[in-house]
Amino acid sequence: SQQGEEDPQALSIQEGENATMNCSYKTSINNLQWYRQNSGRGLVHLILIRSNEREKHSGRLRVTLDTSKKSSSLLITASRAADTASYFCVPTGANSKLTFGKGITLSVRP
Amino acid sequence: EAQVTQNPRYLITVTGKKLTVTCSQNMNHEYMSWYRQDPGLGLRQIYYSMNVEVTDKGDVPEGYKVSRKEKRNFPLILESPSPNQTSLYFCASSLYGPNFGNQPQHFGDGTRLSIL
Repeated sequence: SQQGEEDPQALSIQEGENATMNCSYKTSINNLQWYRQNSGRGLVHLILIRSNEREKHSGRLRVTLDTSKKSSSLLITASRAADTASYFCVPTGANSKLTFGKGITLSVRP
Repeated sequence: EAQVTQNPRYLITVTGKKLTVTCSQNMNHEYMSWYRQDPGLGLRQIYYSMNVEVTDKGDVPEGYKVSRKEKRNFPLILESPSPNQTSLYFCASSLYGPNFGNQPQHFGDGTRLSIL
C-alpha cells in the first residue's frame, strides 16, 4: 500500500480566505480521495478524482491531480469556521489496503 | 439512513480483560476494515475484509482478531488488551475493496478505548 504525504502539516487562515492543501505520493494510482475529520469524529469522504482526470469540483472544493508529478491539491474557497478539521489524502492503487497519512490540520479563524 | 455503527463509543477497561468492539453497516457493503488513530501516527489499518469469511491483516494486526460471519458485521476482538492498545478506533466500509474501482469509505463515529 502507499501513503499520501500531506503538506503543510498545519494551516491557519482567516475566514473567507482560500485554503490550499497538497498531497504527494510515490507509485501509480487508480484514484485519489480526500477525506475530512472533525475533531474526534469519523472521517467523511469529500471527493474522489480518477487517475485520468485532472480537475474536479464539488461546491467550494476544487481538487487537482497531476499524475506526472504524483501530486494532488485540495482547494477550499471562501473558507468558513466550520471547515476547521483535519484533511487526509488517500492515493489508491491496485491493492486492498487503504493507507491514511497524518493529515493536515486546518484552522479557520472567525 | 445509511451508516456504519460502532459500539461502544467509549470504554475504559483493564489489562487482560477480553473485549469486543462491534461494527455494523446497513449498506450491503462487501469491504470492511478497522483502523486505529494515535496522535502523531495518523490512521493505521488493523484488519480488513473483502467479503464474508475473507479477512486479512492490515499494517498493525498484532493483538487483534476479527471475524466476518455476516456481511453487515465486522467485530474487532482484543483477547488480552494491553495499555498500548489505548487508542481511537474506527470501522469503515465500502461497496467493494479499493482495488475494484472507485470506492469512497464510510466511517463510523469511532470508539475511544482506554486500557489501564
